[in-house]
Amino acid sequence: AAGVIQSPRHLIKEKRETATLKCYPIPRHDTVYWYQQGPGQDPQFLISFYEKMQSDKGSIPDRFSAQQFSDYHSELNMSSLELGDSALYFCASSQRRTGAGYGYTFGSGTRLTVV
Amino acid sequence: AQTVTQSQPEMSVQEAETVTLSCTYDTSESDYYLFWYKQPPSRQMILVIRQEAYKQQNATENRFSVNFQKAAKSFSLKISDSQLGDAAMYFCAYRRRLPGSARQLTFGSGTQLTVLP
Repeated sequence: AAGVIQSPRHLIKEKRETATLKCYPIPRHDTVYWYQQGPGQDPQFLISFYEKMQSDKGSIPDRFSAQQFSDYHSELNMSSLELGDSALYFCASSQRRTGAGYGYTFGSGTRLTVV
Repeated sequence: AQTVTQSQPEMSVQEAETVTLSCTYDTSESDYYLFWYKQPPSRQMILVIRQEAYKQQNATENRFSVNFQKAAKSFSLKISDSQLGDAAMYFCAYRRRLPGSARQLTFGSGTQLTVLP
């Protein structure tokens, strides 16, 4: 079965650079969520999209932006990177009508290292 | 705001034995979902089991079962016949259920489970 695809798997950037993370949800999933998991921490919700519109916003810094495209894939853009942005970034997808109570399907994550 | 608390940062269990991981949560909502996720060293987040708050019956998935105590706001995970592959970080998570409500998960801080051979 198709899963949530995230790219790249690993990314190394220097401080003040920009990074773009991509997420391809499971086919027919209309909702995408982004989470940030720092070292030794639990995942923190950043932002979510439903039908290409932002639906909820969590602790996402102003330096970050995201969007969902017509094919439902999503991109998380991170500018002016700081050392503290080093983390594992998860994308998850669900189908709003049927998937709400079934948890979400997570991708394998993108490990971002800022040096 | 909802909070999820896992008071056991680390737990260990002997292979083939049973272990229980604790989770409590705080919410003013009456209808919600609770989940246990497993995160092995690969860092993939894997759904282990889910519970709907309006169902009194405890969820069970093979060797995994929960003890859901709604009044006490407690949601513990029991792993029976522990296997080496169960070693992972386990996260308890909460999600509101009301239509139109925020659908993101709120996670606890996790419990690192070690399975001893």
